Amino acid sequence: GAVVSQHPSRVICKSGTSVKIECRSLDFQATTMFWYRQFPKKSLMLMATSNEGSKATYEQGVEKDKFLINHASLTLSTLTVTSAHPEDSSFYICSAREFPNHSNQPQHFGDGTRLSIL
Amino acid sequence: AQRVTQPEKLLSVFKGAPVELKCNYSYSGSPELFWYVQYSRQRLQLLLRHISRESIKGFTADLNKGETSFHLKKPFAQEEDSAMYYCALSGRAGGTSYGKLTFGQGTILTVHP
Repeated sequence: GAVVSQHPSRVICKSGTSVKIECRSLDFQATTMFWYRQFPKKSLMLMATSNEGSKATYEQGVEKDKFLINHASLTLSTLTVTSAHPEDSSFYICSAREFPNHSNQPQHFGDGTRLSIL
Repeated sequence: AQRVTQPEKLLSVFKGAPVELKCNYSYSGSPELFWYVQYSRQRLQLLLRHISRESIKGFTADLNKGETSFHLKKPFAQEEDSAMYYCALSGRAGGTSYGKLTFGQGTILTVHP
């Protein structure tokens, strides 16, 4: 089955640093990837839609300059949390949708990244 | 705007009992509904989707547009069904899903022996 790999699984860093999270589709191509954020005991909240070769589409209230998304290839999207602060601590999950998108392919999820900012 | 509501945060049943996880949605267009499951220490995975009209692991879900519901049902719960269940919605146009998912709050199902 389709596998999405997310790396790292956990990261702890100091306030003010930037953190990059990778999302890879291992055995399929994904023109579209999605980045979610999950707060403790809360649901997944879509942050942005990552489109291969074009700019990401951010949801309302999500800072573009804070959460930089790059989708340079059909198998890799990255989320960079810039100048991270404690309030950015959260569980970040990516998902990828198999190409071609018009076939109503389901999303496949990564294991998530636990980000802790000290 | 699209919204998904799962009214029960926790649901406990005994093994062999029927189980129903409720999901209601709000969407002005034609929705596509999904149920995702997350077992302990595992990633989120698709359980079923309404357009497939299939039964997975004994679970079924019927889209009721009149009641805007997509409840998940299983006639005889098993201990291995214990997990977090998320109902999710994606908008559609012209038969193609937009892809963006809106998730409900999730329901933790515990099946007791």
